[in-house]
Amino acid sequence: QQQVKQSPQSLIVQKGGISIINCAYENTAFDYFPWYQQFPGKGPALLIAIRPDVSEKKEGRFTISFNKSAKQFSLHIMDSQPGDSATYFCAAPLTDDKIIFGKGTRLHILP
Amino acid sequence: GAGVSQSPRYKVAKRGQDVALRCDPISGHVSLFWYQQALGQGPEFLTYFQNEAQLDKSGLPSDRFFAERPEGSVSTLKIQRTQQEDSAVYLCASSPTNGLATIYEQYFGPGTRLTVT
Repeated sequence: QQQVKQSPQSLIVQKGGISIINCAYENTAFDYFPWYQQFPGKGPALLIAIRPDVSEKKEGRFTISFNKSAKQFSLHIMDSQPGDSATYFCAAPLTDDKIIFGKGTRLHILP
Repeated sequence: GAGVSQSPRYKVAKRGQDVALRCDPISGHVSLFWYQQALGQGPEFLTYFQNEAQLDKSGLPSDRFFAERPEGSVSTLKIQRTQQEDSAVYLCASSPTNGLATIYEQYFGPGTRLTVT
């Protein structure tokens, strides 16, 4: 069974701090690693994703770092805001049309 | 524009009852997915449609689960003889693309929370 191992399970960060969530994967169909953000009562929404041609991707306050040799990737949220409080899921492609998700990290930003 | 909608948003069923969950994808989207999300867990793949064809149903947990998309638009997930372990949020996602590109662009609905008592 392919897995994506995500940590930590929950995270509390002060407003303005850096939130870091990590994921480790086993073999994947190809290198594409998205992060999803989910608010209570809503479905997940794609936040940011990285493809194999770069080791880092930045979009605003959100950055993905990718370490192919270690089979790890991480999400960094800079200048964390209370509105960032949500559950974050990393994911990896199991096949061409199937994604496997991590178990999620519940992030809480203290005001 | 309108996103993916699902109905009902909440469903309570007694053990042994049959339920039907509906998904209205974004208009024109070719691909449609169903996921099951248990409390405190990530979504788990159930099945995938390309237009009306069900191309992958490997994630359906048992033969009590059945999904259809007869006209390539609205989809229904049916669960027969519900069990307590079926309690979860059922998410639907659609994508304007197919094949390799579907995983790049999936739009999720809000889900249906099913509680089996």
